Amino acid sequence: AQSVAQPEDQVKVAEGNPLTVKCTYSVSGNPYLFWYVQYPNRGLQFLLKYITGDNLVKGSYGFEAEFNKSQTSFHLKKPSALVSDSALYFCAVRGFSWGKFQFGAGTQVVVTP
Amino acid sequence: DAGVTQSPTHLIKTRGQQVTLRCSPKSGHDTVSWYQQALGQGPQFIFQYYEEEERQRGNFPDRFSGHQFPNYSSELNVNALLLGDSALYLCASSGGFGSTDTQYFGPGTRLTVL
Repeated sequence: AQSVAQPEDQVKVAEGNPLTVKCTYSVSGNPYLFWYVQYPNRGLQFLLKYITGDNLVKGSYGFEAEFNKSQTSFHLKKPSALVSDSALYFCAVRGFSWGKFQFGAGTQVVVTP
Repeated sequence: DAGVTQSPTHLIKTRGQQVTLRCSPKSGHDTVSWYQQALGQGPQFIFQYYEEEERQRGNFPDRFSGHQFPNYSSELNVNALLLGDSALYLCASSGGFGSTDTQYFGPGTRLTVL
């Protein structure tokens, strides 16, 4: 069975500090991994994805993520957080043979001024 | 280039009623997926449509049904509404069934069942 875990319900950092949001996955075969962000009362906005190739993926708004196959992790990072990064972040996994996304429960990011 | 659009934005129904939600995919996309997001949870996959057929389905009862039209737009129908059906319903479109393309999400329809 496929699954995604986001071990932290909330991550709180000060503006200008590095931000890390953790994600681990379990899937048969090679995973396709995605990060989305959701602002209040809005749909999900795509940030980045890992399909194959370089383990470090760069995405929108200065975010990047590192794929680690041995640790089955895909942590989202931003070197210097902004107050406007405060939102709900979702990690999702998708296997090759099926189209649906399996989402994590989400991590609320709070960036303080 | 319009992204994924959904209608209506909000909807209030009572238990036992039926509801239809609508979705227009992003230009150039032919695959539509529907998700249910309950408050405080991640989106849960309902089903996916490609070439006007339901291709995959999540763990949702038959009360949840859908349709895809020749122009790739889609509807989600929910019959015999329950209080537990109250959620944000998200539509996502992508460039093909089973592809590695990204799913792009609409703003959602907030359904409240009283």
